[in-house]
Amino acid sequence: GENVEQHPSTLSVQEGDSAVIKCTYSDSASNYFPWYKQELGKGPQLIIDIRSNVGEKKDQRIAVTLNKTAKHFSLHITETQPEDSAVYFCAAFNNNAGNMLTFGGGTRLMVKP
Amino acid sequence: DSGVTQTPKHLITATGQRVTLRCSPRSGDLSVYWYQQSLDQGLQFLIQYYNGEERAKGNILERFSAQQFPDLHSELNLSSLELGDSALYFCASSVGFAGYNEQFFGPGTRLTVL
Repeated sequence: GENVEQHPSTLSVQEGDSAVIKCTYSDSASNYFPWYKQELGKGPQLIIDIRSNVGEKKDQRIAVTLNKTAKHFSLHITETQPEDSAVYFCAAFNNNAGNMLTFGGGTRLMVKP
Repeated sequence: DSGVTQTPKHLITATGQRVTLRCSPRSGDLSVYWYQQSLDQGLQFLIQYYNGEERAKGNILERFSAQQFPDLHSELNLSSLELGDSALYFCASSVGFAGYNEQFFGPGTRLTVL
């Protein structure tokens, strides 16, 4: 089945700096890669996603890049703010792997004011 | 607020007991997913129902079962509970049955097994 590795597990940045979280996946058939943000005491919330026919996608301060050859994708957050502090999860979807999302282990991002 | 509701918020029980977690999906969503989130395991997919039928199965233990009712709410039943079952249990819903549809997560049920 699919395996998703996520790094780093914790990340601390100064407000205004950029943050990058990286994920690798194992199954080249995976074709959809969402990113979820989980704030304390809440359920995960989709913040951005990318499909395998696209190399990069941006939404304001958030961007995701995908390298299908290397089987890795990354989340980039620019001009970080304290409210960006949360746990971020990457995931991969593969229709051949049981119609389910496989999540990475999560990254706890702390933005220091 | 995602529109997905889960009850109860917290549940404390003893080993060997059985509990039922309840989820109501967003209005219009036909798919319900159940996930387990423990400290060392991240988010683990358990099972998916679409319009009352089981659609996909993950690493769900035989002691666990789920169902989706005609009104589309879902219940996750956990039996013969063990200490290791202590975790956050999330329900998510989506419009379609495919895993690439956006999933909206509820606030979760925190289960503590003593």
